[in-house]
Amino acid sequence: AQSVTQPDIHITVSEGASLELRCNYSYGATPYLFWYVQSPGQGLQLLLKYFSGDTLVQGIKGFEAEFKRSQSSFNLRKPSVHWSDAAEYFCAVAPVAYSGAGSYQLTFGKGTKLSVIP
Amino acid sequence: DTAVSQTPKYLVTQMGNDKSIKCEQNLGHDTMYWYKQDSKKFLKIMFSYNNKELIINETVPNRFSPKSPDKAHLNLHINSLELGDSAVYFCASSQDRGLYNEQFFGPGTRLTVL
Repeated sequence: AQSVTQPDIHITVSEGASLELRCNYSYGATPYLFWYVQSPGQGLQLLLKYFSGDTLVQGIKGFEAEFKRSQSSFNLRKPSVHWSDAAEYFCAVAPVAYSGAGSYQLTFGKGTKLSVIP
Repeated sequence: DTAVSQTPKYLVTQMGNDKSIKCEQNLGHDTMYWYKQDSKKFLKIMFSYNNKELIINETVPNRFSPKSPDKAHLNLHINSLELGDSAVYFCASSQDRGLYNEQFFGPGTRLTVL
């Protein structure tokens, strides 16, 4: 079964510092990969996604993520964090090919909460 | 204009009651979803409808019944509410069932069962 691991439950960084949030997946083949952000009291918003091609993906709000097949990882980065980036971040995977009724779904990691110190 | 809206935003009720949460999307999408986010923020899909047809039905108690009167609406009805049903429920939609499509999420409904 596919799974997503976000090893860090909570990360605190200072405003202006760089950020890296880790995501590892376990799946038979390279899946579609996503990062979502959930601001307090809000729904999830897509930051970026990877399907194929260039392994460095640019997203909204200055975020980027790098897919590393050898490490089954899709880590999210931002060079300089802003206070407004404080939120919960979710990595998610989805199968590329249909393989049964259960295929049409995203599997989410348990999230990493980001706190930003002014 | 709100893309995916849910009502109510908060729902507090007693055990044993029956309640409904409504979801509407004005994006013209064919596929809609219900997710449950537990107290530890773990997000798991419950149901998915594509053009009013159920395509995903995860291991969810029969007390939960989704209803899609048209492809813009996906409501969630819960019978005989239990304490463990307390969670935030998110509705989402995407253009079609293809998972390369972005899913747009509603603001969530926080359900508290007392």
